[in-house]
Amino acid sequence: AQSVTQPDIHITVSEGASLELRCNYSYGATPYLFWYVQSPGQGLQLLLKYFSGDTLVQGIKGFEAEFKRSQSSFNLRKPSVHWSDAAEYFCAVGADNQGGKLIFGQGTELSVKP
Amino acid sequence: DAGITQSPRHKVTETGTPVTLRCHQTENHRYMYWYRQDPGHGLRLIHYSYGVKDTDKGEVSDGYSVSRSKTEDFLLTLESATSSQTSVYFCAIRAGTGSYNEQFFGPGTRLTVL
Repeated sequence: AQSVTQPDIHITVSEGASLELRCNYSYGATPYLFWYVQSPGQGLQLLLKYFSGDTLVQGIKGFEAEFKRSQSSFNLRKPSVHWSDAAEYFCAVGADNQGGKLIFGQGTELSVKP
Repeated sequence: DAGITQSPRHKVTETGTPVTLRCHQTENHRYMYWYRQDPGHGLRLIHYSYGVKDTDKGEVSDGYSVSRSKTEDFLLTLESATSSQTSVYFCAIRAGTGSYNEQFFGPGTRLTVL
């Protein structure tokens, strides 16, 4: 069965420090992978996606993610975190069945210390 | 901004009453989705639509029905609301017909069933 795991429920980093959020997926075919961010009380905003080609993808707000097929991972990174990055982050895989639904991980809540 | 609105944004209702949530889009996208968001579960698909009058079930469809009589509107109905349906509901559209296309989300509806 298709699934996405985000092992870290909550992460705290200091402003200016680097960030890596982990995402592991289970999917039989070539995955379509997405990272979304959700600020409190808001909807989800797409940060970046991977579906083919270069395994290092760049997104908005200075984020990047690397697809590693051998590790079934799609980790999100940012070299220097800003206080405004505090939010919840969701990794998702796009399924070819059920109308191309997204299968989401449980989410990682990011707190940023001044 | 994919031109997605949801109404109402907040609703409190009582167990056993019917509730209808509305999703409206302005850009003629074919695919529309209803997800619910609960702590520890990320987002889970309730129902989706792949065209006018064409709908199908997602993974948590029990207790929910949907209708799509116009391209721009996708309605989610709780026939008889239960406390387990207290959640935040998100509508999404898919930008294109391929599973690799990203989904854009509305602002959400917070539903409380007492």
